Amino acid sequence: NAGVMQNPRHLVRRRGQEARLRCSPMKGHSHVYWYRQLPEEGLKFMVYLQKENIIDESGMPKERFSAEFPKEGPSILRIQQVVRGDSAAYFCASSPPGRYGDTQYFGPGTRLTVL
Amino acid sequence: GEDVEQSLFLSVREGDSSVINCTYTDSSSTYLYWYKQEPGAGLQLLTYIFSNMDMKQDQRLTVLLNKKDKHLSLRIADTQTGDSAIYFCAESIGGYQKVTFGTGTKLQVIP
Repeated sequence: NAGVMQNPRHLVRRRGQEARLRCSPMKGHSHVYWYRQLPEEGLKFMVYLQKENIIDESGMPKERFSAEFPKEGPSILRIQQVVRGDSAAYFCASSPPGRYGDTQYFGPGTRLTVL
Repeated sequence: GEDVEQSLFLSVREGDSSVINCTYTDSSSTYLYWYKQEPGAGLQLLTYIFSNMDMKQDQRLTVLLNKKDKHLSLRIADTQTGDSAIYFCAESIGGYQKVTFGTGTKLQVIP
């Protein structure tokens, strides 16, 4: 059973471009979470999604950021018109339905660098 | 409110015990976790404890929870160089899976 997969692992964008980060949850997992880790800091919650639904986006910046988790395919975190402050590691986690607590499994992260 | 604090750095000698401490502020925390992050990698869940427990032991790892003081600790017995990493304390609240992380403690193991 493959773990949580994220791609790309590294992404370089110039200011004003768009960044698309993809997350494929573990098989059988229907809950996806996105976190952002700024240099030398802990992870900050961004958004929690279930298939085709955004459950909690309280950690998501109001502008330029969006997330989706379609019925088919990976979850996508999209950042429009990137700025230097968006440079960070973005981690996705997944968990199976109906449980909580010990079951968030993290992917290896996408490291976004904005030039 | 949600706030999880940790000291930034800990250095120990190989074979000694390491104790990493964490304080949290939300008394309604349901689960408390310890994650390990190696350089350039994602987070690995090491262990977790329910908020109605005082202690949990798992091989070389011992978690102690003091709810009164909102203090959580992770003890690593017989610390090895492979234990060098950043350790994150985290909490989740209620039945919801939103997890709040501390800033991480960088553990350096000296051979």
